[in-house]
Amino acid sequence: QTVVTQEPSFSVSPGGTVTLTCGLSSGSVSTSYHPSWYQQTPGQAPRTLIYSTNTRSSGVPERFSGSILGNKAALTITGAQADDESHYYCVLYMGGGFVFGGGTKLTVL
Amino acid sequence: QVQLQQSGPGLVKPSQTLSLSCAISGDDIFSNSAAWNWIRQSPSRGLEWLGRTYYRAKWYDDYAVSVKGRITISPDTSKSQISLQLNSVTPEDTAVYYCARDPGYWQHFFDYWGQGTLVTVSS
Repeated sequence: QTVVTQEPSFSVSPGGTVTLTCGLSSGSVSTSYHPSWYQQTPGQAPRTLIYSTNTRSSGVPERFSGSILGNKAALTITGAQADDESHYYCVLYMGGGFVFGGGTKLTVL
Repeated sequence: QVQLQQSGPGLVKPSQTLSLSCAISGDDIFSNSAAWNWIRQSPSRGLEWLGRTYYRAKWYDDYAVSVKGRITISPDTSKSQISLQLNSVTPEDTAVYYCARDPGYWQHFFDYWGQGTLVTVSS
């Protein structure tokens, strides 16, 4: 079974730039997987950040951007802020269903 | 504005059936583009897509391999609700369950989420 891989944790300094990635245990991520990204804080439902690889959801700040980097989908935060400290999940659409990555815990310090 | 309001019991006994509902407002349950999904989240399994139902002249459903054979996702069109039934539950099914909309139109992601329901499987 295909596994969607994410870095378990990452840290960034306030004002810094960080890129989180989303890969496949076998193969490359492409736009045909419709990569999407979600932010989740404890006790809350996930919040949609990016869909269709690089489209920002309504109300999402411009410092969040999505792309394909090499063989992975990527979420870049440019100018990280303290309230970006959260868990981030990518989701890929494949085989008529969705597969979530394990999530990245982002620390801003 | 689409809203998804979940309801259902928070405690289910082992071997019994977990049943949850998701009431849809702000969108048409018969949408020819959207799909209605169930997702769960637990510390051991993370976020896990369970399945979906959608209407394209008739109702269809798809399920994750991990729960296929135990799960049914179905519409209650009279109430504009989507229901989840998971049979023969074990403590491993303890999780927060979410319903979510995939808007479709050749895009596949989740744009609206229910509030989540913590379901504990315990005797």
